Amino acid sequence: AQKITQTQPGMFVQEKEAVTLDCTYDTSDPSYGLFWYKQPSSGEMIFLIYQGSYDQQNATEGRYSLNFQKARKSANLVISASQLGDSAMYFCVARSHYQLIWGAGTKLIIKP
Amino acid sequence: DGGITQSPKYLFRKEGQNVTLSCEQNLNHDAMYWYRQDPGQGLRLIYYSQIVNDFQKGDIAEGYSVSREKKESFPLTVTSAQKNPTAFYLCASSALTGQGTTEAFFGQGTRLTVV
Repeated sequence: AQKITQTQPGMFVQEKEAVTLDCTYDTSDPSYGLFWYKQPSSGEMIFLIYQGSYDQQNATEGRYSLNFQKARKSANLVISASQLGDSAMYFCVARSHYQLIWGAGTKLIIKP
Repeated sequence: DGGITQSPKYLFRKEGQNVTLSCEQNLNHDAMYWYRQDPGQGLRLIYYSQIVNDFQKGDIAEGYSVSREKKESFPLTVTSAQKNPTAFYLCASSALTGQGTTEAFFGQGTRLTVV
């Protein structure tokens, strides 16, 4: 079955430190894509970053980067220099055969 | 500005009533989705549609109904058959490409409470 696994239900990180949020995936689609979303307490869902299965380079968007290890089926999100505003739920999502498969999410809390 | 509009933001329903949640997008996206989110949980797919006048059940379709009469609109009706409808409902849309879907864009959500 196609699946996204986020093994960290919650994380506490000190402000200004880097943080890595784990994501492993299992998909039968050879042309899959991986997304990360942020959901603050307000409830809105914010798209952060995208990695295609054929992309050679790891995706980066400002302080966000995606550590894509295809052989390990891993697509970890790295946030550099964390800020208090990064406190939120983070979801890893796979696009597979025109479907979006969601992970259970990781709750990230940044401590001042 | 292009985007997705969900209304209302908050909705209260009496037990036994049907309610309809609105979702409109002006992004010219083919695909639209409805998700349910319970507190502290991830998203669960209720229904999705990739083309007008066609839609498919997601993982938790029981007690819900949808229609897709126009490309830009995908309303969700929560029927009285849904035994535990209190939740946060998110509507999303995405473009379809040869490789699948692009990233999904989300509305602000509707918080439904049964009173």
